[in-house]
Formats: sequence, C-alpha cells, structure tokens
Amino acid sequence: DIQLTQSPSSLSASVGDRVTITCRATQSISNSLSWYQQKPGKAPKLLIYAASTLQSGVPSRFSGSGSGTDFTLTISSLQPEDFATYYCQQSYSTPPIFTFGPGTKVDIK
Amino acid sequence: EVQMLESGGGLVQPGGSLRLSCGASGFSFSSYAMSWVRQAPGRGLEWVSTVSGVGGSTSYADSVKGRFTISRDNSKNTLYLQMNSLRAEDTALYYCAKSTALYCSGTSCYSYYFDYWGQGTLVTVSS
Repeated sequence: DIQLTQSPSSLSASVGDRVTITCRATQSISNSLSWYQQKPGKAPKLLIYAASTLQSGVPSRFSGSGSGTDFTLTISSLQPEDFATYYCQQSYSTPPIFTFGPGTKVDIK
Repeated sequence: EVQMLESGGGLVQPGGSLRLSCGASGFSFSSYAMSWVRQAPGRGLEWVSTVSGVGGSTSYADSVKGRFTISRDNSKNTLYLQMNSLRAEDTALYYCAKSTALYCSGTSCYSYYFDYWGQGTLVTVSS
C-alpha cells in the first residue's frame, strides 16, 4: 500500500509568513494528490486537487506543486484564518484506496 | 448548494452494531462516488470505505474489511454504513464525503478526491 509522510509535523509561524508543507509518497502517484485544511471542531475542507489545481473558492495564497513522490503545499502569506491542520491525501489505484498523511499543524508563533 | 448530513451515531457496546446514514442534496447524487472517512479523538483522518455512483463497486480499508458494509440508495440520495462487530478502536467521528474522480476510462475511475464533507456523526464504542 502507498503511504504518505508529511513534514514538518507542526510549525509555528507569524501572520504574513510564507509557509511550505511537504508530503512524500512511498511510490509514484503521478499527480493524484490533494490537500485539505481542518480547523478544530470542523470538517476538513478541500484546498488543492490534482497536486496543483486550486479548488473553487480557495484563496490564491494557497498553491500546490509536485508530481511522482514529492509534493508541496505553500501558503504565500499566512493569514489569521489559516492556522489549522493540513492533510495530504492520495488515491492512485482503482478501485480507490485512499491514504491520508499524518497532518501538519500550523499554529501562531 | 451541496449539503450532506450524517446521522445514526451513538454509544454502542463492543461487539455491537450500528448503521450510519448520510443524506445528500445539491448535486446529482447517483453521478458520484461517496465515501466514509473517520477521525478518532485527537487523531488524524482515516479513510473507511467508498462506493461507486451506481453502487456496483466498493472498497474498504483493511481495518474494517469484513465488518463494515457501505451501500447507497440513489432514489433517496442517501449513503449508508453498516458497522458490525464494533471495537473500541472504531470510536471516531464519521464523515461522509462526496468523492470526485479526476478522470475515468471506461467504467474505471482514478485519482479521487473529497470535495465536500458533512459535519460528521460520533460513534463511541464502550462498555
């Protein structure tokens, strides 16, 4: 089975900072990677799919890149509402088997 | 507006059963795969199961295979999860999620993502 790792597991940042989170797959998944944001007590929210496609309504400060095994989520200028936990997810096979990364918690420095 | 509302969670003893439901609206329900994803208290997200749009294809996480059954009733726009032989480690908030494929070839679809989520229903397995 394909596993995902994320780094860092947590980070502290200030409003306005550029933040980068990395997700690595144990084998190539082409561009079959999505990113989600989850705030405490809320359902996850899709940010990015197909590695780099911004979901409708998501601010353009969020961007994704990568293919194969290495992917990144970048927040160009961190805003107060961006403090949350971020998960990557893959589903490369059919029928689909999904895997989530362990998450990266972004909190206020 | 896409909306999904889960129900059916509660407290159940180990070895017991529970059936979750998820009512969906705001999209062509039968055209999309649907999934269940769970989150144990203080833990990360774990995919549980997915069913294709017409219900003919299902997949399960190894942790629930043989104990849980996913199904759907497209006439009622409702997704189900029958959970049997429940264990303490099944305690979690269970979300239903609309599952969209990046592309399909024939009857096979690939590279799914979860574009809409419900608010979840809590399942607690404890004696």
